This record gives sequence, structure tokens and C-alpha cells, in this order.
Amino acid sequence: AAGVIQSPRHLIKEKRETATLKCYPIPRHDTVYWYQQGPGQDPQFLISFYEKMQSDKGSIPDRFSAQQFSDYHSELNMSSLELGDSALYFCASSFTRQSTDTQYFGPGTRLTVL
Amino acid sequence: KQEVTQIPAALSVPEGENLVLNCSFTDSAIYNLQWFRQDPGKGLTSLLLIQSSQREQTSGRLNASLDKSSGRSTLYIAASQPGDSATYLCAGQGGSEKLVFGKGMKLTVNP
Repeated sequence: AAGVIQSPRHLIKEKRETATLKCYPIPRHDTVYWYQQGPGQDPQFLISFYEKMQSDKGSIPDRFSAQQFSDYHSELNMSSLELGDSALYFCASSFTRQSTDTQYFGPGTRLTVL
Repeated sequence: KQEVTQIPAALSVPEGENLVLNCSFTDSAIYNLQWFRQDPGKGLTSLLLIQSSQREQTSGRLNASLDKSSGRSTLYIAASQPGDSATYLCAGQGGSEKLVFGKGMKLTVNP
């Protein structure tokens, strides 16, 4: 079965650079979520999209922005990177935005900021 | 605000033991409770999802229960194996769409 695809899997950037993370949801899933997991931490919700519109927002820095495109893939744009942004970034998708739907997680993008 | 707690933070057991992993949450208005497995440096693998209308779910050697009134969920692992060694996280989903995770429990099963 198709799973959530994230690219790139690994990314190394310098401070103050920008990064773009991509997420391709499971086919027919219209809801995408982004989570950030710092070293030794639990995943923290950043933002979600339903039918290409932002539907919920968590602790996402103003330096970050995200969108969902017409093919339902999503991109997380991160600017003015800081050392503290080094983390594993997960994308998840669900069939709908209903709270009863399972969120399926991608393998994550490991971002290292030097 | 939903808070999810997992105690203990780590557990080391010999192979073959039946295990109980605990998860507690503060807001009983929960729509579902999901258990995940995470291997070091890897992604999240969904193990079981229990919807609020259900009391338990089973998959192979895993059984998860949900008691909304007491704010608790339990993951049972039968006949543990070294391959079960990983970090197990529970996450609750309330009225909003986001999952709120516990800090996880690192399980080590010794051969």
C-alpha cells in the first residue's frame, strides 16, 4: 500500500539559510499535518491543511510557512534557520479531517542546521 | 489543554514477559487514542488506534484499551521479543485535529 512520502530524507543547512520540505500524502487523503520532533522530544504539532486550506495551527514559528497544493502535496518552508530548528520533521495524512481518522506518518525529514 | 503522560520513561525486561505500557490523558473529551512505535532515528509506525466509542483494539500480540472516564489507555504486549525494543508513544486527538503526544516509553527487551 502507498504510504506518505517525504523529501528530502536528510537535509543539512547553515544558519540563516532557507529550507523546503515536501510531503506527498497517501492517495485520496485530503488532510495533511506537519509535526516537529526535536532530539529526545515528543512530536509537536506545527500546522495542518484540509482541501488546500490551513485548518489548524500549533507552535509554528513565524519564520516557517506552509501550503497545500492542488494535488494535495504540501511544502513546509523554513527561513532564517536557527540551530534549534534541527529536528525530525514529520508529515502525516488522513482520509478526512475528522478526529476519528487515523493519521499516517511519513518517514520524516531530518534537518540539521550547522 | 490536553496533556498526555507516559510512565515510566523507560523499561527493561527479559524476553518472553507480558508487558503493560501506560498512558494517561487529562481531557476526557478525546476522539481517539493512537499508539505508535518509533525506532531510533526513524519514523513513527502506527500500531493501534482506538476510537472513543471503542474500548479496545487488537493486532497480533498487541492489545490496546481505552478508558475515557479514568483518562487512561494501556498497551499490552504479549510474549515480548527483542525485536519489540523501541520507543512507544501514545497520542490523543481531541476536538482539534492535532495529535498530542506523550514523551514516550523506551522499551528494551533483553534476549
